[in-house]
Amino acid sequence: EVQLVESGGGLIRPGGSLRLSCAASGFSVSSNFMTWVRQAPGKGLEWVSSIYSAGRAFYADSVKGRFTISRDNSKKTVYLQMNSLRAEDTAVYYCARGFYDSSGNPYFNYWGQGTLVTVSS
Amino acid sequence: QSVLIQTPSASGTPGQRVTISCSGSSSNIGSNTVSWYQQLPGTAPKPLIQSNNLRPSGVPDRFTGSQSGTSASLAIGGLQSEDEADYYCATWDDSLNGWVFGGGTKLTVL
Repeated sequence: EVQLVESGGGLIRPGGSLRLSCAASGFSVSSNFMTWVRQAPGKGLEWVSSIYSAGRAFYADSVKGRFTISRDNSKKTVYLQMNSLRAEDTAVYYCARGFYDSSGNPYFNYWGQGTLVTVSS
Repeated sequence: QSVLIQTPSASGTPGQRVTISCSGSSSNIGSNTVSWYQQLPGTAPKPLIQSNNLRPSGVPDRFTGSQSGTSASLAIGGLQSEDEADYYCATWDDSLNGWVFGGGTKLTVL
């Protein structure tokens, strides 16, 4: 059974750092593309970052240079290192598995339950 | 302002058919397939439509997706109270080199 479990969220002061983890079960994190999506309180979904099977990573402009996505295949875990945090980074962060369907088109077929990050002094 | 534009709200009565639209551009919907996600209150998003019009296993056939040019639509037929949720479209954007989501549509079942 495929499962994604996020952890690492919490209250952090502006300018601080936090590392989120996404533990996967039922599949290899290197065989698909893994993604972080966030949702600010009362707002919509916002893509944050993705890492593809070959290791290439992409970032939203809003986090480029501050956030780093990585993965540990042996631990079946994806990470999001968040530095220089700002109040506007406050959100629930979801980990999602990107998958290529039978037509070769990508979508997010599994999501974790999310972890809340609150940036406040 | 989201790259993909969705009407913020929609509503219908039980049994009705409702359509939610998602408007983009040549660099996103015009070039890549669209997926749709349903987010029930207090829960994580769930995939509803992949590749513009395919339903993942377990999604009722009341949900249908379509795409034409730089726009996509999600239609929900035979509306049920449990369909009350937020709905998001998403696709890859070739210009931004990233995924983009619509702003979301809140569906109310009256």
